[in-house]
Amino acid sequence: DTAVSQTPKYLVTQMGNDKSIKCEQNLGHDTMYWYKQDSKKFLKIMFSYNNKELIINETVPNRFSPKSPDKAHLNLHINSLELGDSAVYFCASSQETLEGYTFGSGTRLTVV
Amino acid sequence: GENVEQHPSTLSVQEGDSAVIKCTYSDSASNYFPWYKQELGKGPQLIIDIRSNVGEKKDQRIAVTLNKTAKHFSLHITETQPEDSAVYFCAAQSGGSYIPTFGRGTSLIVHP
Repeated sequence: DTAVSQTPKYLVTQMGNDKSIKCEQNLGHDTMYWYKQDSKKFLKIMFSYNNKELIINETVPNRFSPKSPDKAHLNLHINSLELGDSAVYFCASSQETLEGYTFGSGTRLTVV
Repeated sequence: GENVEQHPSTLSVQEGDSAVIKCTYSDSASNYFPWYKQELGKGPQLIIDIRSNVGEKKDQRIAVTLNKTAKHFSLHITETQPEDSAVYFCAAQSGGSYIPTFGRGTSLIVHP
């Protein structure tokens, strides 16, 4: 009964490729997020959706495009992958904006 | 915007000792302070949170204290065990913000 599930867990790809990461939550939460964690463990917000509406877009390159088909899903598509995109990407959800997050287990993206 | 400083970046203790991680924040409007534990290869997990209307909260071996005047809050872990070894993140969030500001993390190592 995974609360927030991400697929795939590992993704190794070449520069210039396009890839997608999927996220689904079964908690009934209204808000979902994408975070990027770099090699120094810093958590950086990328996007936030509330009931399928984009509410946060933090200076992320246009190559990154989130899509929320419904409030239980938030996918991340990345075009023209670059070496600097290598990181762990976490999906998360919360019921309200002033509540704690439930994170997924992460997708480790390696661009070679 | 909010700025959260977290110290120390690494903390090494012997099993059974106490561990304290400290965070300071800059925005006096912040009123929600969650703590997350991230084990190796997993996503961050909410372990305790505190709101600005209380000064202390305890849950078994972990406790969090908040000093609004000084704008700092701390995580206390008593009787540490090897399974407490992880990276711990503090965060601060105000009601006017959709997302929290995270500290840079503390790597806690508990030696058996």
